[in-house]
Amino acid sequence: EAQVTQNPRYLITVTGKKLTVTCSQNMNHEYMSWYRQDPGLGLRQIYYSMNVEVTDKGDVPEGYKVSRKEKRNFPLILESPSPNQTSLYFCASSPRQATNEKLFFGSGTQLSVL
Amino acid sequence: QKEVEQDPGPLSVPEGAIVSLNCTYSNSAFQYFMWYRQYSRKGPELLMYTYSSGNKEDGRFTAQVDKSSKYISLFIRDSQPSDSATYLCAMSEWNNDMRFGAGTRLTVKP
Repeated sequence: EAQVTQNPRYLITVTGKKLTVTCSQNMNHEYMSWYRQDPGLGLRQIYYSMNVEVTDKGDVPEGYKVSRKEKRNFPLILESPSPNQTSLYFCASSPRQATNEKLFFGSGTQLSVL
Repeated sequence: QKEVEQDPGPLSVPEGAIVSLNCTYSNSAFQYFMWYRQYSRKGPELLMYTYSSGNKEDGRFTAQVDKSSKYISLFIRDSQPSDSATYLCAMSEWNNDMRFGAGTRLTVKP
């Protein structure tokens, strides 16, 4: 089954403790992206990657890192999480960075930073 | 002013009703307009995609774009309880650098 898999689904952590949210897609997509979803603000893009070893900042990149060493994986790294990073996070992928390409989303990771 | 404005609702309608969901936007360069449906505890999934102005119909769903008014709509005919979800509008200029609305939560009551 074609899908985008995120782990974990739920994560509670404390301020300053480094964490990684994994994202993997099995569709051989070139384009992958991370979003955060907050009430009243909608989905905002954090980082995106057009292909292996090619990443770029989205609208809200502060406090986040990403890497794209393999085509299928695009982990999101929070080196020193803070409470304002408490949010619902989504990974997404599409065949390429083109608006007429459908974005496939993962099921989300609910992160709480205490 | 947000680039994309969407009434968050919640919107509650009886089964069989016609539902109208709307977004307004400020960037006249937007050309691609999408509606995503998001069920509780799930990621968004693409529902409708429209390029430039006009209407697009798919079963019970109709998407309308009025670029002169910077206004897009999604109509759901004969709404069903299974349509209960949050609906997100999204739009972009030319690539996947999309701007999303905040989403409207819809409940269709049997």
